[in-house]
Amino acid sequence: ETGVTQTPRHLVMGMTNKKSLKCEQHLGHNAMYWYKQSAKKPLELMFVYNFKEQTENNSVPSRFSPECPNSSHLFLHLHTLQPEDSALYLCASSVGQNYGYTFGSGTRLTVV
Amino acid sequence: AQSVAQPEDQVNVAEGNPLTVKCTYSVSGNPYLFWYVQYPNRGLQFLLKYITGDNLVKGSYGFEAEFNKSQTSFHLKKPSALVSDSALYFCAVRDDTGRRALTFGSGTRLQVQP
Repeated sequence: ETGVTQTPRHLVMGMTNKKSLKCEQHLGHNAMYWYKQSAKKPLELMFVYNFKEQTENNSVPSRFSPECPNSSHLFLHLHTLQPEDSALYLCASSVGQNYGYTFGSGTRLTVV
Repeated sequence: AQSVAQPEDQVNVAEGNPLTVKCTYSVSGNPYLFWYVQYPNRGLQFLLKYITGDNLVKGSYGFEAEFNKSQTSFHLKKPSALVSDSALYFCAVRDDTGRRALTFGSGTRLQVQP
């Protein structure tokens, strides 16, 4: 394990459901990120949090709602998603700007 | 704006042969460059980075990468490929201001044949 834990690993949800993805790290990192990975496309940055404050929102639709209650936890709340939102959602954290990111294993989301 | 291009969707190489996975980037100012590897059903794992200093950077599992400022490239290399190197490789860049998160390429699938 990398030290970044994502749950659940797999999620199937209907377009009218509400669900949440969870990310947790106890590495002492101060920045956390949500990325979306779709086949044959670059990883898409969704949100960035630094010391619990959102510092980047990459024009993500409002049906995705992030929450960062503390530096160790990051959530992605999902509501009325579309089938094209099906993807692998990756959480990452970093200790500072000069360092690489530590990624979780991701949540494989399927919207039906 | 910052961007990364990985021109090859897939690279095939025989075990024991050298491998190269290509990456070019665009960024304002000085680049911070990274390579990550992703195995099936896993997240991305850090391989190596270039921040400053020697243009040849050595990383995990025998991989290295060469920073070429004039060609804005950061190609990943390994002298002798292993079957276990087969995976998806991502190049990433950000500028040196610290205000932007990493921008990733679309990935290159490396297949090493026995």
